[in-house]
Amino acid sequence: EVQLVESGGGLVQPGGSLRLSCAASGFTFSSYSMNWVRQAPGKGLEWVSYISSSSSTIYYADSVKGRFTISRDNAKNSLYLQMNSLRDEDTAVYYCARDGITIFGVVKYYFDYWGQGTLVTVSS
Amino acid sequence: QSALTQPASVSGSPGQSITISCTGTSSDVGGYNYVSWYQQHPGKAPKLMIYDVSNRPSGVSNRFSGSKSGNTASLTISGLQAEDEADYYCSSYTSSSTLRVFGGGTKLTVL
Repeated sequence: EVQLVESGGGLVQPGGSLRLSCAASGFTFSSYSMNWVRQAPGKGLEWVSYISSSSSTIYYADSVKGRFTISRDNAKNSLYLQMNSLRDEDTAVYYCARDGITIFGVVKYYFDYWGQGTLVTVSS
Repeated sequence: QSALTQPASVSGSPGQSITISCTGTSSDVGGYNYVSWYQQHPGKAPKLMIYDVSNRPSGVSNRFSGSKSGNTASLTISGLQAEDEADYYCSSYTSSSTLRVFGGGTKLTVL
């Protein structure tokens, strides 16, 4: 069974830092590209960042570029999001989400599995 | 403001059909067959319902279907049931620097 479990959320002051983790199990983590998606309270989904299976390709939303860093450790089956210079508007539930993949290993642009999310609150 | 435009809300009675639209541009919805749809119940993680415009993952009811015409994709739910009441989001690959975009979400109410 595919499982994605996020951790590391909490309360942080504006300007502070936080590191989120996503522990993956039930699939060959090193074969899949991964994403972070967030949802502010009462708002819609916002894609945050993408990392390819080998970490060779990374993308960020304009809203977090230069402040957030995505990374992964395939040996530990883990995905990370380092968040610096946090702002009030970064308050959200952060989900890690797996990209689909074909039987030939080609990345598909949809999120087939999601974690349950971890809440990040930025407030003084 | 979301990159893809969805109606804020739709409603229907049990047994009826509804359609949710998702409008983008030629850089996303119109340019690629990489539109997906997600269902989210309150307090829960999103669930994939449709991928690549019209494909259903294993386990998703065939009452859910997807289509696309030009820059607008659509999700149709037939034979509405009470458990379909949820928020629905479309998403697409985009050729812009941000790679992926979501719609603002549509709240479905089953009357």
